[in-house]
Parts: sequence; structure tokens; C-alpha cells
Amino acid sequence: EIVLTQSPGTLSLSPGERATLSCRASQRVSNGYLAWYQQKPGQAPRLLIYGASSRATDIPDRFSGSGSGTDFTLTISRLEPEDFAVYYCQQYGSSTWTFGQGTKVEIK
Amino acid sequence: QVQLVQSGAEVKKPGASVKVSCKAFGYTFTDSFLHWVRQAPGQGLEWMGVINPRGGSTNYAQKFQGRVTMTRDTSTSTVYMELSSPRSEDTAVYYCARDVGLTVGRAFDMWGQGTMVTVSS
Repeated sequence: EIVLTQSPGTLSLSPGERATLSCRASQRVSNGYLAWYQQKPGQAPRLLIYGASSRATDIPDRFSGSGSGTDFTLTISRLEPEDFAVYYCQQYGSSTWTFGQGTKVEIK
Repeated sequence: QVQLVQSGAEVKKPGASVKVSCKAFGYTFTDSFLHWVRQAPGQGLEWMGVINPRGGSTNYAQKFQGRVTMTRDTSTSTVYMELSSPRSEDTAVYYCARDVGLTVGRAFDMWGQGTMVTVSS
């Protein structure tokens, strides 16, 4: 099973700043099957990025994903108030899906 | 409207099985795999398994093998997740989520609203 490790655990930033979130896999993620989700308190997760770098429907272009192999990054170019939330990465491989432990982006 | 609607909250005593439903609206039920993901209070997301509504085949995370059963009813576009012998550590919000395959790189593009399951004596 591929283990995903996200860093940092918490990111304290101000609105307008750039956020860079990391997701590292214990083994190569095949075919770039790496996704990112946003979750706000009391809500279900929302798909942001799939295939490592493709934005999901209706996701603003301030969200971008990059990376391949074992190292992936989610970047939020300029934080809006509604972006403060928890972010999870997820991978698919060998008929199994796993999630990272999450990164909380909080207001500084 | 395209959505997944789950059954309501459950409170169970340890050892009494719990069954949660997820009904699909607004798309062809048999076109997309459906997954179950859970989230314990204050914790992260945990994948439990997946069912193919077309033929009913399933694949469970190793942790849940022998304890979880996923089924579907194509006549009502509903999938079910039954967890047997639950214990207090199974207290969590349980989500169903849609996987439309390679269109979104096997990611989950739509989620149910979640069902809180509380296991307590």
C-alpha cells in the first residue's frame, strides 16, 4: 500500500499570500493518479485537482497542482478567505486508494 | 440534479451491525463506481472500499476485509455499506463518493452529505 505524507501539518498564512502544500508518496504513483481535495468543517470533501495537475469543474485558476513520481504539490496562488480549510491528497494504484493525513491552512 | 443522498444518522451498540445507504440521482447509476470513505471525529479521510454498480463486484481495503459488505440495488440506484461488529473506534462520518473513472483520473468528483455513525454502549 502506498503511504502519502503531507507537509506541513498546519500552514498559517494571511489572505493574499501564496500557499504551497506538499504530498510525498512512499512509492511511485502510477499514471499521475494523484488528486487533491478541500474540506471545510461540517462539509464533505470537494475535488480540486485530479491527474496531478488538472483542475476539476468550477475550480478557480488560483489552485494548481504539479509533480510526478513520488513528489506532488498543491499551490494556491493568492489565498482568498474561503480557502482556509483542510486539504488532502489521494492516490490510486493497484485497485487501492489512499489519502494523506491532511494539511490545515489557517488564518495567521 | 446530480447528487448522492445518504441515509440518516445511526446510533448502535457495539456488536450490532450498521447499514448505510447512498442513493444516486441525475446520472446513469451503472456508469460510475461508488466508494465508501470514513472520517473519525477530528481525523483524516480513510478509504474503505469500492463497488461497481454495473455487476456488483467489490474491492475492500485490507483493514476492512471480513467486516464490511458493499451491495447495490440497480432498481433504486442505491448502494449500501454494512459494517459488522462495530466498535467504538468505528464512530465516524461515513461518506459515499463517485468515481467516474479515467475522466477524472480515478478521483472522486461527487460526494454524499455524510452519515454520522455512533457506536456506544
